[in-house]
Amino acid sequence: DGGITQSPKYLFRKEGQNVTLSCEQNLNHDAMYWYRQDPGQGLRLIYYSQIVNDFQKGDIAEGYSVSREKKESFPLTVTSAQKNPTAFYLCASSTSGGATEQFFGPGTRLTVL
Amino acid sequence: GQQVMQIPQYQHVQEGEDFTTYCNSSTTLSNIQWYKQRPGGHPVFLIQLVKSGEVKKQKRLTFQFGEAKKNSSLHITATQTTDVGTYFCAFGGSSYKLIFGSGTRLLVRP
Repeated sequence: DGGITQSPKYLFRKEGQNVTLSCEQNLNHDAMYWYRQDPGQGLRLIYYSQIVNDFQKGDIAEGYSVSREKKESFPLTVTSAQKNPTAFYLCASSTSGGATEQFFGPGTRLTVL
Repeated sequence: GQQVMQIPQYQHVQEGEDFTTYCNSSTTLSNIQWYKQRPGGHPVFLIQLVKSGEVKKQKRLTFQFGEAKKNSSLHITATQTTDVGTYFCAFGGSSYKLIFGSGTRLLVRP
């Protein structure tokens, strides 16, 4: 089955710890994205990548970092510099950027204690 | 930067009633997409509109793109409990990213 996987589904961390969220896709998509969603809110773009070894900051990149070493993978690290990291994190991919349909993974719910 | 205003923020309807959510932009949009997110789930693509005045239907859902390409609407006829969720509009920005509206949360009373 083709799709996007994110792991883990739920993640708990202590304040001050860095944590890396996994995102893998087997759709052969060039573009990948990370969004943050807070309760009752919309989607805010953290980082996006149009192609391997290239990525751009989104609207709320501070306190986050990414890498894109392989086409299939786009991990997100939530660093200790992120002031309020507890949120629902969604990864998405698309064949190309902009106007094309985005496919979302199931999300990771991160709770920082 | 570019953004869209989505209204209403919430809508609570009786099962069988109709529902409409609106997406408005101050600038002309090249395209608009609609997504549905079930409670606890992830957004799922519903449709994309590209042409001025375009109307598309999916069973009980009707999507419209305004003549000036500055607004769009999603109308659900005779809502069912399975329609519960948050509906987002989104459009392709000037770069590679997709810009999402704030969403309309639909609650349906059985």
